[in-house]
Amino acid sequence: GEDVEQSLFLSVREGDSSVINCTYTDSSSTYLYWYKQEPGAGLQLLTYIFSNMDMKQDQRLTVLLNKKDKHLSLRIADTQTGDSAIYFCAEYGGSQGNLIFGKGTKLSVKP
Amino acid sequence: GAGVSQSPSNKVTEKGKDVELRCDPISGHTALYWYRQRLGQGLEFLIYFQGNSAPDKSGLPSDRFSAERTGESVSTLTIQRTQQEDSAVYLCASSTSPGSNQPQHFGDGTRLSIL
Repeated sequence: GEDVEQSLFLSVREGDSSVINCTYTDSSSTYLYWYKQEPGAGLQLLTYIFSNMDMKQDQRLTVLLNKKDKHLSLRIADTQTGDSAIYFCAEYGGSQGNLIFGKGTKLSVKP
Repeated sequence: GAGVSQSPSNKVTEKGKDVELRCDPISGHTALYWYRQRLGQGLEFLIYFQGNSAPDKSGLPSDRFSAERTGESVSTLTIQRTQQEDSAVYLCASSTSPGSNQPQHFGDGTRLSIL
């Protein structure tokens, strides 16, 4: 079945780069997504990448996709305290149009 | 423009009561999704609406859960005879149309607590 795995915690210092990793299982996935969830809030779409791409950059965010290994990563450059949140990786499930989410990586940014 | 709106933002109720959660999607979005997020967990898909098509209810956790959508507008998720395990954040999302290339945009959720 489809499954998305993420490490649960990541701690970095302000100004450093953060790299959040994700693995997925569905080789037919066409789009992969990154969402950010701040405390008490819903999910904010950060970025997404089509599976025929290797990389996508959007300001401080860089997404890398290794389709062979089914590995997705999100790099946040110059991490700020405002980046502290839970980051969810998701793949498109397809059968009902739903997304399949990992359990989220809690990013803590220390000043 | 306005995003996905959910109400109430918080709901506390006693076990056994019925609750109704509301989602107002982004205007023009034909696809609407409900997810459940238990504490410390990822999102669990519940149900999906596309236009006027009848939804597939197989993702709903039990027959106490039901959902409706009027045309391409507001949707309600109803939980009857609530149980403590129903405590969670219920998130609604919408997209312009179904399909992997149409990002889903989420509301802030309804935090449901069953006493």
